[in-house]
Amino acid sequence: KNEVEQSPQNLTAQEGEFITINCSYSVGISALHWLQQHPGGGIVSLFMLSSGKKKHGRLIATINIQEKHSSLHITASHPRDSAVYICAVLKGGGGADGLTFGKGTHLIIQP
Amino acid sequence: DTGVSQDPRHKITKRGQNVTFRCDPISEHNRLYWYRQTLGQGPEFLTYFQNEAQLEKSRLLSDRFSAERPKGSFSTLEIQRTEQGDSAMYLCASSPRLLNTIYFGEGSWLTVV
Repeated sequence: KNEVEQSPQNLTAQEGEFITINCSYSVGISALHWLQQHPGGGIVSLFMLSSGKKKHGRLIATINIQEKHSSLHITASHPRDSAVYICAVLKGGGGADGLTFGKGTHLIIQP
Repeated sequence: DTGVSQDPRHKITKRGQNVTFRCDPISEHNRLYWYRQTLGQGPEFLTYFQNEAQLEKSRLLSDRFSAERPKGSFSTLEIQRTEQGDSAMYLCASSPRLLNTIYFGEGSWLTVV
């Protein structure tokens, strides 16, 4: 079982819909990243969370440390939001092995 | 522009040849990571440097793989005697001392034919 699980794997929605992507992890973490990857490879860090909630424009990320769960929400979705969204955790305990990634959620927003 | 640059962006090579990728992190970042990503999968950790010291290597990094960061600035990832299974995107990322964020390069695509 992967240490970081995302759902759904694929999501197609209509422009304007409210989108939720979920991430569950099974290890102790010091932080969680939500990343966006567009075709061609480049990855951008959208949020880094260690508790609570963060908002940036139409994007909202929440984390529940006790339940080991995080969600990424997109309000008023737009075709330009189409991308792969990846949840990645930075393990606690002082490990130096960088991030552990989920497999990503492939989001398509249709006009 | 994330500030982490990788070169080359694409490389096609014949099986058995050696390839080298270069990563230039953001200048003040002391931590540098290499990841590998295959189609449909999330990135997988390969190795990590803090300044010039290679502190962690994944079991994915076979003896054919070697990474260096000689002066604590740019890093190279070399793959010797490439195999078709090495075909993937090799991602570099860097982060500052406080680990408050991470920046990724655009990745280097390797195709072994």
